[in-house]
Amino acid sequence: GENVEQHPSTLSVQEGDSAVIKCTYSDSASNYFPWYKQELGKRPQLIIDIRSNVGEKKDQRIAVTLNKTAKHFSLHITETQPEDSAVYFCAATIKAAGNKLTFGGGTRVLVKP
Amino acid sequence: KAGVTQTPRYLIKTRGQQVTLSCSPISGHRSVSWYQQTPGQGLQFLFEYFSETQRNKGNFPGRFSGRQFSNSRSEMNVSTLELGDSALYLCASSGTVITSTDTQYFGPGTRLTVL
Repeated sequence: GENVEQHPSTLSVQEGDSAVIKCTYSDSASNYFPWYKQELGKRPQLIIDIRSNVGEKKDQRIAVTLNKTAKHFSLHITETQPEDSAVYFCAATIKAAGNKLTFGGGTRVLVKP
Repeated sequence: KAGVTQTPRYLIKTRGQQVTLSCSPISGHRSVSWYQQTPGQGLQFLFEYFSETQRNKGNFPGRFSGRQFSNSRSEMNVSTLELGDSALYLCASSGTVITSTDTQYFGPGTRLTVL
């Protein structure tokens, strides 16, 4: 099937700790994997993305890793802060569906001060 | 550049009515995708348009339709509204050419409530 599975659905962490969200995808031809952050009442905003020719990408406290063999990718947030509290969505292009961007179900992250 | 804009931002309709939502992409972008966001179902893909042509369609009933104009602005229409159509409708624009790695930028969404 053409789907992206995302876990966990909710994640509560203490401020300063790390948060990890994992996604798996079904289409081995997928080659683009963005992550979006959606704060309450706001639009999804791209925070980082990775393409299939790269295994890891980092931007300050955020990093994404990609394992094409296992067909999974992960978002890592280090030194979490209260402003990191939001819903995070992973996505992958599904080539079999004309490169449609398919989203995971989302992870609600709560950073406790 | 101005971001993606959507109008109206909020809409209240009753069952059986129809509704039209509008999306203006980032200047120069030619692709517009539409998504339905509900608390239980996440972001569900409706359809994608590129240069006035529908490139992709999600698994929604025929009551959901869309179109794109020559200036890349897009509209989506929902006919015979049902209670379950209550959702946030997001559009996203991307690219000047069709690639599988184009970043999509979202608009603020239209919150549709069906009574």
